[in-house]
Amino acid sequence: EAGVVQSPRYKIIEKKQPVAFWCNPISGHNTLYWYLQNLGQGPELLIRYENEEAVDDSQLPKDRFSAERLKGVDSTLKIQPAELGDSAVYLCASSIGTGVTDTQYFGPGTRLTVL
Amino acid sequence: GQNIDQPTEMTATEGAIVQINCTYQTSGFNGLFWYQQHAGEAPTFLSYNVLDGLEEKGRFSSFLSRSKGYSYLLLKELQMKDSASYLCAVRDRGNAGKSTFGDGTTLTVKP
Repeated sequence: EAGVVQSPRYKIIEKKQPVAFWCNPISGHNTLYWYLQNLGQGPELLIRYENEEAVDDSQLPKDRFSAERLKGVDSTLKIQPAELGDSAVYLCASSIGTGVTDTQYFGPGTRLTVL
Repeated sequence: GQNIDQPTEMTATEGAIVQINCTYQTSGFNGLFWYQQHAGEAPTFLSYNVLDGLEEKGRFSSFLSRSKGYSYLLLKELQMKDSASYLCAVRDRGNAGKSTFGDGTTLTVKP
């Protein structure tokens, strides 16, 4: 079974430029998560989707960040414009649902560097 | 909300046993998960606890005490490949899909 796929793996951009990340979850997983992870810290939730509906985006900086999950499968996360403080690893995860024992499976992440 | 505390770093010797502690304060608890994360890689699931007690899975065991807001991950027969960061994550009761992660404990296994 294929795992969570993310692209690109690495991205270097200059500040004020736009950037987009793509995620393909595990087949059959209805719940999709985007996390931000800074060096030496744990992942922080940005947004969670149940199928195509964003059910928790309280931590998403909506002035510059946006996300979508068309048809309840693939998802994209966009930053426009990027700031120096956005440099981090952006992780996508998926799970079958949100049951007590439903495990989140993480993709390899996209390492963003903003110059 | 959730507040999770883990030691920042630990060092242990190959073949030994190490215990990584996690304490949490929560407004609602619905399970605790442990993940392993090697440098530059994604977190991978190790174990979960919903009820009090010990869950054993090969060389890894995880313990939970909900009344004390305390969990630990026990790694036996340490191997060099166990050098990684270990993340404790607490699932929220009110928001079933939300897990809050600790900052992780970086374990270094020495020969």
